[in-house]
Amino acid sequence: AQSVTQLDSHVSVSEGTPVLLRCNYSSSYSPSLFWYVQHPNKGLQLLLKYTSAATLVKGINGFEAEFKKSETSFHLTKPSAHMSDAAEYFCVVSSNSGYSTLTFGKGTMLLVSP
Amino acid sequence: DAGVTQSPTHLIKTRGQQVTLRCSPKSGHDTVSWYQQALGQGPQFIFQYYEEEERQRGNFPDRFSGHQFPNYSSELNVNALLLGDSALYLCASSLVTGGSGAFFGQGTRLTVV
Repeated sequence: AQSVTQLDSHVSVSEGTPVLLRCNYSSSYSPSLFWYVQHPNKGLQLLLKYTSAATLVKGINGFEAEFKKSETSFHLTKPSAHMSDAAEYFCVVSSNSGYSTLTFGKGTMLLVSP
Repeated sequence: DAGVTQSPTHLIKTRGQQVTLRCSPKSGHDTVSWYQQALGQGPQFIFQYYEEEERQRGNFPDRFSGHQFPNYSSELNVNALLLGDSALYLCASSLVTGGSGAFFGQGTRLTVV
């Protein structure tokens, strides 16, 4: 069984300040972890993925995430927020048990103010 | 590469009717998964198809069924629609080996009235 907990339903930042979106996971298998972003009325776009290689993962648009097994966390960060980052972000876990099904967190809405 | 394409983009149906949604996976991908995203929620896994067979199924009733064709495209069928079936339906394509994530289509917005 696997699950994801996104610790904040909403995060508000000012443009140019750092972004931190928190995610904890649970998985019976060695997991793959992902962050997806969803802009209003759009599909899901893959930001980055962790698949048991380097624990610090760099993604698109300046985002990165660090896999911490001891803390079962996979927090998403960005040094400086941009207005275009305003969207909903989903932390996702996939077991490597042979099925590539994804379990999503409930999402964190990132609000960026000027 | 057209990526994952879904049709139609929007659909309005009446309670009790049946609906079919379609998905063409990303070129080179052999596995298609369907997800339901209710308003304000994260996507929920419905089922996954590989080699024209349903490989895994989430916690959805039998009213939800699917099909995968030899060209890897897929359909999602929902019978006896309920108001609660109103949602964004997302198709994701991937490789059966998994681990590399999935690519999503733009979704079909289904409204049941």
